[in-house]
Amino acid sequence: QKEVEQNSGPLSVPEGAIASLNCTYSDRGSQSFFWYRQYSGKSPELIMFIYSNGDKEDGRFTAQLNKASQYVSLLIRDSQPSDSATYLCAVNTNAGKSTFGDGTTLTVKP
Amino acid sequence: GAVVSQHPSRVICKSGTSVKIECRSLDFQATTMFWYRQFPKQSLMLMATSNEGSKATYEQGVEKDKFLINHASLTLSTLTVTSAHPEDSSFYICSAATDRDTEAFFGQGTRLTVV
Repeated sequence: QKEVEQNSGPLSVPEGAIASLNCTYSDRGSQSFFWYRQYSGKSPELIMFIYSNGDKEDGRFTAQLNKASQYVSLLIRDSQPSDSATYLCAVNTNAGKSTFGDGTTLTVKP
Repeated sequence: GAVVSQHPSRVICKSGTSVKIECRSLDFQATTMFWYRQFPKQSLMLMATSNEGSKATYEQGVEKDKFLINHASLTLSTLTVTSAHPEDSSFYICSAATDRDTEAFFGQGTRLTVV
């Protein structure tokens, strides 16, 4: 079992729809959780981080964390073509040391 | 967010030569820096963790004599790929973290091609 698993994708949604990205992790000691967006050929950029159970909203993005279920998700509302990228879920057990999922490729169709 | 600068962004070298990649935290002091490698259509794989002033900790399967890491100051870490071979061609990415926060900030990445 991988330490961090993401839905394999690719995921395709129409412009304006909600995109839902899911991630599960195996280490119950994990403390912090991150979503990164990576465009092809570029380095990842941080979108959201979440430490506590529940929802965290930032603009069109909402991260949801359920530590009991070892599950973290990212919702993108009003999806735009510019949101088309690979989304990486990362889980930290030690300060800054991240274990990444394989990523989910999202395509938002105009 | 904090800024991490990685240089060069792209390098092509001949097989058997060495290449040095720099990672700098521009506006904060990075106690810890991380080096990742990413092959096409794969996720980031942690290679090593470096703490300022001490030896790097390498992940299993990463040759420490081939991938030399130096973290001489709180703002600079370097990765040297020694005796590079075509199979070392990859996207190398650094990230830096302070000792207060758990989020790490990524450099722009270095595309290494060994010919």
